[in-house]
Amino acid sequence: QKEVEQDPGPLSVPEGAIVSLNCTYSNSAFQYFMWYRQYSRKGPELLMYTYSSGNKEDGRFTAQVDKSSKYISLFIRDSQPSDSATYLCAMSGSYTGGFKTIFGAGTRLFVKA
Amino acid sequence: DVKVTQSSRYLVKRTGEKVFLECVQDMDHENMFWYRQDPGLGLRLIYFSYDVKMKEKGDIPEGYSVSREKKERFSLILESASTNQTSMYLCASRPRGKAFQPQHFGDGTRLSIL
Repeated sequence: QKEVEQDPGPLSVPEGAIVSLNCTYSNSAFQYFMWYRQYSRKGPELLMYTYSSGNKEDGRFTAQVDKSSKYISLFIRDSQPSDSATYLCAMSGSYTGGFKTIFGAGTRLFVKA
Repeated sequence: DVKVTQSSRYLVKRTGEKVFLECVQDMDHENMFWYRQDPGLGLRLIYFSYDVKMKEKGDIPEGYSVSREKKERFSLILESASTNQTSMYLCASRPRGKAFQPQHFGDGTRLSIL
């Protein structure tokens, strides 16, 4: 079983839709949760990160963490064609000497105008 | 803003060649990382470095080595390139400290080995 599971998609939605992207994980030691956005032929760009369970909002984006279920989500409201990208979830936990980060494989999102 | 710069966006090399991928960051970060990204497999850690001249193996170090002679620069070396090393290579950096901070990535080098 992978430490982080993420549906690869592709996910295709019309402009203006609410998008829900999700990841599940197995290691309860993860404490920090991140979402990266990666446009074609570019590197991952940090979108949001959160420490605790609950919601964190930034403009049209909301990150949700449920540690009891080991489940994280990213919601995109009023989706735009410019949101078309691959979204990677990532999570980190501390270990002797530092932090270890594991990435999901990414979900490809297409927002149609 | 953190700037992580990878020297080449696209690179084509031949089997058996020694290949160097360079990465420079401008934020005085202690930690630097090299990943490869393949469809369906996500990001896999090759090597990381937590200080100058220090390195640690990641999950898939075989066939690779690294060099960190200066704090801002982290090089990935393919000792004898093989076709199964064709991939997207991503460099990242992060400050060291008790408080967690996420990694910041460069735009990647798409490497083809023929």
